[in-house]
Amino acid sequence: GAVVSQHPSWVICKSGTSVKIECRSLDFQATTMFWYRQFPKQSLMLMATSNEGSKATYEQGVEKDKFLINHASLTLSTLTVTSAHPEDSSFYICSAQGQGHQPQHFGDGTRLSIL
Amino acid sequence: AQTVTQSQPEMSVQEAETVTLSCTYDTSESDYYLFWYKQPPSRQMILVIRQEAYKQQNATENRFSVNFQKAAKSFSLKISDSQLGDAAMYFCAQTTDSWGKFQFGAGTQVVVTP
Repeated sequence: GAVVSQHPSWVICKSGTSVKIECRSLDFQATTMFWYRQFPKQSLMLMATSNEGSKATYEQGVEKDKFLINHASLTLSTLTVTSAHPEDSSFYICSAQGQGHQPQHFGDGTRLSIL
Repeated sequence: AQTVTQSQPEMSVQEAETVTLSCTYDTSESDYYLFWYKQPPSRQMILVIRQEAYKQQNATENRFSVNFQKAAKSFSLKISDSQLGDAAMYFCAQTTDSWGKFQFGAGTQVVVTP
């Protein structure tokens, strides 16, 4: 089955630093990738949708200058949390979708803790 | 705008018994798709079942089945013969794009007791 790898799985960093999370589709070409945020015991909230080679489309209320998304290739998308602060601490999950009406495949998520 | 509502924060079931999770949704679109995802403690998202709104027949996957009531905009999940491995958070989700841009419900925690 289709595999999506997310890295790192857990990161702890100091307030004010920038953190990059990678999402890779290992055995298929992902024309679309989605980034979600999940607070403890809450639902997944879609942050943005990215199509390969295009600028990401952000959901209302998501700061695009805070959460930089790059989808430069058909197998890799990155989410960079810039100047991270404790309120950015959360669980971030990516999913990848192949061309056409293909299923979304989720990564295992990244736990981000900002001290 | 699409909304998905799961009104049960937690449901408890004994092993081998049956539990039903409720989900209601709202959409103005005529074409849409409904899903149930399972998120165990590992937090991996696992697809349980998918239903195409234009299909009247309820989707089934082994011990998992749905009761899709289109007029009532209801999409409940029934877990039969519950197993300890079914313990997880279950999310109902909706999209108008076959597999894209999910709107998730708040989730229902399923607890399975021996």
